[in-house]
Amino acid sequence: GAGVSQTPSNKVTEKGKYVELRCDPISGHTALYWYRQSLGQGPEFLIYFQGTGAADDSGLPNDRFFAVRPEGSVSTLKIQRTERGDSAVYLCASSLQGYTEAFFGQGTRLTVV
Amino acid sequence: AQSVAQPEDQVNVAEGNPLTVKCTYSVSGNPYLFWYVQYPNRGLQFLLKYITGDNLVKGSYGFEAEFNKSQTSFHLKKPSALVSDSALYFCAVRAPDAGKSTFGDGTTLTVKP
Repeated sequence: GAGVSQTPSNKVTEKGKYVELRCDPISGHTALYWYRQSLGQGPEFLIYFQGTGAADDSGLPNDRFFAVRPEGSVSTLKIQRTERGDSAVYLCASSLQGYTEAFFGQGTRLTVV
Repeated sequence: AQSVAQPEDQVNVAEGNPLTVKCTYSVSGNPYLFWYVQYPNRGLQFLLKYITGDNLVKGSYGFEAEFNKSQTSFHLKKPSALVSDSALYFCAVRAPDAGKSTFGDGTTLTVKP
């Protein structure tokens, strides 16, 4: 079956612009996670959804970052007024329940110039 | 707060020799522990997990890990390394009542023929 799909795979944007990153989780997975990975570091937690609601958004760095999952499936991570420091690989993962292993997509590489 | 330490940035072993990739953690309560592997240009892949039960956990591709509560460690092991095991390995920890996982910064494993 299909895995976690993230689009686009690469995104280059100018400083100050708005971007949206999309994640299609594995069908039937109720939990969805967003992480951010910078070069030479491990994934850094951003937000966790259980169904449609954000169960934990403690990792969002500031109010420029926002994520939604309106129908409990596809999720969109939205970044306003992008900064060069936002450049990273944004990873999405999903799991059947909140407490089992996660299945990761290949990520979206965001570059802010 | 929860944290993971992977004290070795790089581990080099010869093919056929045993390998160990180290991980120590800090978390409130009983930990959920995970190992993931990342191959070049591919997403993170789940290897194995410890939730409860036997301290020795077996996973994919012949890997295993030993949970040691007193040393707060969860080292990844394999009796006989393959060149194809060369990749970036991440250890992660999660508190039992949370969805957020905290990852280490990764260890690059190189297996030489």
